[in-house]
Amino acid sequence: SQELEQSPQSLIVQEGKNLTINCTSSKTLYGLYWYKQKYGEGLIFLMMLQKGGEEKSHEKITAKLDEKKQQSSLHITASQPSHAGIYLCGAYITGNQFYFGTGTSLTVIP
Amino acid sequence: DAGITQSPRHKVTETGTPVTLRCHQTENHRYMYWYRQDPGHGLRLIHYSYGVKDTDKGEVSDGYSVSRSKTEDFLLTLESATSSQTSVYFCAISVLLTGRGSYEQYFGPGTRLTVT
Repeated sequence: SQELEQSPQSLIVQEGKNLTINCTSSKTLYGLYWYKQKYGEGLIFLMMLQKGGEEKSHEKITAKLDEKKQQSSLHITASQPSHAGIYLCGAYITGNQFYFGTGTSLTVIP
Repeated sequence: DAGITQSPRHKVTETGTPVTLRCHQTENHRYMYWYRQDPGHGLRLIHYSYGVKDTDKGEVSDGYSVSRSKTEDFLLTLESATSSQTSVYFCAISVLLTGRGSYEQYFGPGTRLTVT
């Protein structure tokens, strides 16, 4: 079973459009992390959310952690081709084990 | 990149041969992790370490062993490689965020392993 479910699995959007990626857990999340991975490369840390209701923004990317700390959303405003890649959420759910979400592949069409 | 390197970066090996991947960090962080990344499965935790000679199993530990004799090095060994272990392997460390009481993970560049 997957501890963290992401949706959608794959997303294709026109440049300039907004989009949202969701990450859902059945258990309380102790720190929710968002990463981006360009195809064939390593992971890049985007941001971390810790408190229920917390929202952070970096450039055109905004992430929120819901009040119950069981779901997070990543929103990209006015998408650009440079936003393309795989987005992964990650979290400590039990002990010291860090789990990743199932991943969302984003393609931005110029 | 938090001073994390992995070696080798690419390796092709035959079924049944032993393989060791190395993760090296330069900043004496306590927690280190090994993940594999496969299409359709995302990143899955193989083993992790919370100090020298202290290791524990992750989600997909069968067929893998690890060792950590020094803080800076975390080794992943495939005793007898199988084709199902063809994957990209990532090492990671956890860095304590001072004053936040939480950790941030940093990843190495990855090792692409092909078992023929």
